[in-house]
Amino acid sequence: GQQLNQSPQSMFIQEGEDVSMNCTSSSIFNTWLWYKQDPGEGPVLLIALYKAGELTSNGRLTAQFGITRKDSFLNISASIPSDVGIYFCAGGMNYGGSQGNLIFGKGTKLSVKP
Amino acid sequence: DADVTQTPRNRITKTGKRIMLECSQTKGHDRMYWYRQDPGLGLRLIYYSFDVKDINKGEISDGYSVSRQAQAKFSLSLESAIPNQTALYFCATSDTRSYGELFFGEGSRLTVL
Repeated sequence: GQQLNQSPQSMFIQEGEDVSMNCTSSSIFNTWLWYKQDPGEGPVLLIALYKAGELTSNGRLTAQFGITRKDSFLNISASIPSDVGIYFCAGGMNYGGSQGNLIFGKGTKLSVKP
Repeated sequence: DADVTQTPRNRITKTGKRIMLECSQTKGHDRMYWYRQDPGLGLRLIYYSFDVKDINKGEISDGYSVSRQAQAKFSLSLESAIPNQTALYFCATSDTRSYGELFFGEGSRLTVL
């Protein structure tokens, strides 16, 4: 089946640092999404991207829909402690009348540097 | 109260036992899903339902069954639990008009001994 390669698998952040993560696919998607899961909770949608080349921001978060439609990137600027958690990318195909199920990446776990 | 409620939140059971995880939602969405999360494997789709009369298998449906009792209720059953079904299970809902936006419950942690 389809797979998304999400990297890095984990990373440590120090408050104030910028963070980058990405997701690549062997297949084309026309929808890319980024979710965040806080400890003990379910994932929550952060950003949705619907057009190749699109760059969308949500506060300190910025995500981009790759021009090839096979990748997406998420950047977090000036990280704060509450940014820790697991970030998931997801890709999907929406044909309007037919909507495919989302494929999720394996997640990037953000932790605070000891 | 949460829009998507899962019960139980934690369950420990033994191999061979039948287990049911329940999900109810107040969002009024037609679409409901069950996902499984394992460390390092992300979220994998078990079953999904687009309305009360529509049930579909997902990526990893073997060993599981579901029931959509009403628009707001979607339950997941393990007929004979086995240890490799130990995982965190999430119910989610979505609106047809907002493709990709899933609303997840808080999860049900299941341990099969």
